[in-house]
Amino acid sequence: KAGVTQTPRYLIKTRGQQVTLSCSPISGHRSVSWYQQTPGQGLQFLFEYFSETQRNKGNFPGRFSGRQFSNSRSEMNVSTLELGDSALYLCASSLGPTTKDNEQFFGPGTRLTVL
Amino acid sequence: KQEVTQIPAALSVPEGENLVLNCSFTDSAIYNLQWFRQDPGKGLTSLLLIQSSQREQTSGRLNASLDKSSGRSTLYIAASQPGDSATYLCAVPSSYGGATNKLIFGTGTLLAVQP
Repeated sequence: KAGVTQTPRYLIKTRGQQVTLSCSPISGHRSVSWYQQTPGQGLQFLFEYFSETQRNKGNFPGRFSGRQFSNSRSEMNVSTLELGDSALYLCASSLGPTTKDNEQFFGPGTRLTVL
Repeated sequence: KQEVTQIPAALSVPEGENLVLNCSFTDSAIYNLQWFRQDPGKGLTSLLLIQSSQREQTSGRLNASLDKSSGRSTLYIAASQPGDSATYLCAVPSSYGGATNKLIFGTGTLLAVQP
């Protein structure tokens, strides 16, 4: 069974540009969450999607947006990039809504560098 | 508001030693607790998930315990190997705002196993 895949793995952009990151969850998983990881702030929650609906959103500016498609694949978009957006963006996949046995699996991440 | 703490922040041990990593959380109303490892620049690998009704979970040389009443979990690694060197993170689903897959992470323990 294939794991969580994220594309691209590495991105270099300049300030003011926009970027789209993609996440394909494990087959059969319908929940996708996104996290930003930086050395100073650790892992910060961005959004959570289940069955194409955003269930939860973290404390990030409106420049960060996301969506989920009918096949459970998800994308996140960052517009008007800032230097501080440089980070490792991680996607997590799980079967469904929170239950006591709902294990979450992470992808390898997309390393975004903003120059 | 759920807060997760991990101690120690860093640990260095000689190969073959048994070790314990600690995780504390402030709100005991959790569905489960998950332990992850992260190698530098990589995604998170799920090690163990302990359901709220369980006290222990084992996988190979790893054993995780959960004491909800005291808000603590420990990850025991037996016969440590250099390949165990990584950052270890514990996480619980947020209990704020209803059921959600949003994970609250500890700050991690950086483990170095010396050959």
